[in-house]
Amino acid sequence: QKEVEQNSGPLSVPEGAIASLNCTYSDRGSQSFFWYRQYSGKSPELIMFIYSNGDKEDGRFTAQLNKASQYVSLLIRDSQPSDSATYLCAGNTGNQFYFGTGTSLTVIP
Amino acid sequence: NAGVTQTPKFRILKIGQSMTLQCTQDMNHNYMYWYRQDPGMGLKLIYYSVGAGITDKGEVPNGYNVSRSTTEDFPLRLELAAPSQTSVYFCASRGEGGSFYEQFFGPGTRLTVL
Repeated sequence: QKEVEQNSGPLSVPEGAIASLNCTYSDRGSQSFFWYRQYSGKSPELIMFIYSNGDKEDGRFTAQLNKASQYVSLLIRDSQPSDSATYLCAGNTGNQFYFGTGTSLTVIP
Repeated sequence: NAGVTQTPKFRILKIGQSMTLQCTQDMNHNYMYWYRQDPGMGLKLIYYSVGAGITDKGEVPNGYNVSRSTTEDFPLRLELAAPSQTSVYFCASRGEGGSFYEQFFGPGTRLTVL
């Protein structure tokens, strides 16, 4: 069974700090990885995806993928209170996507 | 564009009842998905479709059925509802080309089975 495991948190960081979110995955055949943000009572929204080893940056967000270690991370720089949400890590194999249980992040003003 | 719409937003069912959760997208996406999310958990894939007339099982298909007669619509049918089906159900779609990997989610249907 394909699995994605995330550090469940909750994670609290002060405003302006770097938040680090991590996940590991079980299926070496997984092709791409995704970070979704989900506000309470809302649907997930995609922040970033990554499919090559290394780093990918988009504004304050950096995704990192290490296929040898089967490890994916998301760094949020200059964290803002509006970043407070649950972050879901997901992977895909072909047309199927599978999600971790999420990490709750609170950014303290 | 409305994106992905789902109806109803909320529903309470009695054990053994049946219902259909509706999902419609207006982005002409070929790929559509149904997920369920239990409290404090991630999303579990129930069924997905790669185009009209083609559906396939995901991780947790038991107790559910789907059909895809048009590109726009992907209804999820619950037969003989059970308390274990109490969850939030999300429908999603994705296109091809530049937005190939991005799934667009509907607002969800919160279902309680009593």
